[in-house]
Amino acid sequence: GAVVSQHPSRVICKSGTSVKIECRSLDFQATTMFWYRQFPKKSLMLMATSNEGSKATYEQGVEKDKFLINHASLTLSTLTVTSAHPEDSSFYICSATPGQMNTEAFFGQGTRLTVV
Amino acid sequence: SQKIEQNSEALNIQEGKTATLTCNYTNYSPAYLQWYRQDPGRGPVFLLLIRENEKEKRKERLKVTFDTTLKQSLFHITASQPADSATYLCAPHNYGQNFVFGPGTRLSVLP
Repeated sequence: GAVVSQHPSRVICKSGTSVKIECRSLDFQATTMFWYRQFPKKSLMLMATSNEGSKATYEQGVEKDKFLINHASLTLSTLTVTSAHPEDSSFYICSATPGQMNTEAFFGQGTRLTVV
Repeated sequence: SQKIEQNSEALNIQEGKTATLTCNYTNYSPAYLQWYRQDPGRGPVFLLLIRENEKEKRKERLKVTFDTTLKQSLFHITASQPADSATYLCAPHNYGQNFVFGPGTRLSVLP
């Protein structure tokens, strides 16, 4: 199956700093990637849809200035958590779907962000 | 608004038995329904997709049903093994629509 790589898998940062998370599709091109957030023992919450070459589409309640998304190429999307606070600590996961047909999604390994 | 329920939050079964997980949805009519497996600290992994015109789909020890009248999907794991212990997520959706995942069922298969 298709491979999506997410980096880093774990990151600890200080309050007030910014953290960048990368999501790469290794063996296919993805015009659209998705960013999710997951709290402990909870399901995935869609944060935004990352569109190659255009602005991301954010879900209701997600601060676009807080969570900056850049989809500069067909294989790379980045999520930057700006001015991080402890409440931003969470598990962030990206996904992508090969091709135009909206079938199965392939997920990255996830990034555990801890803000101290 | 769309609502997805998976009952129960946690399920414990004995090794060798069949695990049955339920996914119910309301307020929409998905053309597809997908099931994913998620291990702790990892991203979800795709398992099966079933279309609205398919009543049942199988893959090795896995079986999924899709009842559009009941607005329900059942996910079965036969001859369950401790390695099947994980959280299972359902995602009913339509073509071109973003995935919305259910809350998941945490399955524990006891040796």
